[in-house]
Amino acid sequence: GAGVSQSPSNKVTEKGKDVELRCDPISGHTALYWYRQSLGQGLEFLIYFQGNSAPDKSGLPSDRFSAERTGGSVSTLTIQRTQQEDSAVYLCASSPQRGLAYEQYFGPGTRLTVT
Amino acid sequence: KQEVTQIPAALSVPEGENLVLNCSFTDSAIYNLQWFRQDPGKGLTSLLLIQSSQREQTSGRLNASLDKSSGRSTLYIAASQPGDSATYLCAVVKDSNYQLIWGAGTKLIIKP
Repeated sequence: GAGVSQSPSNKVTEKGKDVELRCDPISGHTALYWYRQSLGQGLEFLIYFQGNSAPDKSGLPSDRFSAERTGGSVSTLTIQRTQQEDSAVYLCASSPQRGLAYEQYFGPGTRLTVT
Repeated sequence: KQEVTQIPAALSVPEGENLVLNCSFTDSAIYNLQWFRQDPGKGLTSLLLIQSSQREQTSGRLNASLDKSSGRSTLYIAASQPGDSATYLCAVVKDSNYQLIWGAGTKLIIKP
């Protein structure tokens, strides 16, 4: 079946511009996660959605970052007024349930470059 | 605070050898541990998931073990092949937190 998809695969933007990154999770998966992989920083959690519950935003690095999930499916991560330190690969993952005992399946990521 | 460490950071071995990748974590209160591989420019592929009640999981030439009390996991790769070349990442989920907490990875190169 179809896996997690993300778009765009690559995004180059100028400092100060807003960007939107999209994630389509695996159909039927109720949990959705965003992670960021920065050069030299490793992977870090950003935000988590589970069903209709309020998202856990504890990993978002600043108030310039926000995310929404419409209809319990597609999610959009928005970065406002991008900075060079936002350059990273943004990874989305979905899981069939709250991710305690279930695997997280990852999309190919969006490589964001802020110039 | 949970910290995950992977040793070695890089490993290069001839094709056909068996090898072990190590992962350690500071807080033994985990729900599960997951091993991934990441190919250059690509996303993450889940290899094995070990729940906290389990000691090991096997998939083909891969075997992952978990020792919660010592805070360690190993990924054993048998009869390595050039196609195994990738970065291998381990990540844990704490009992009170569903986030994956990641190690920095081991970059594996299998020489033909």
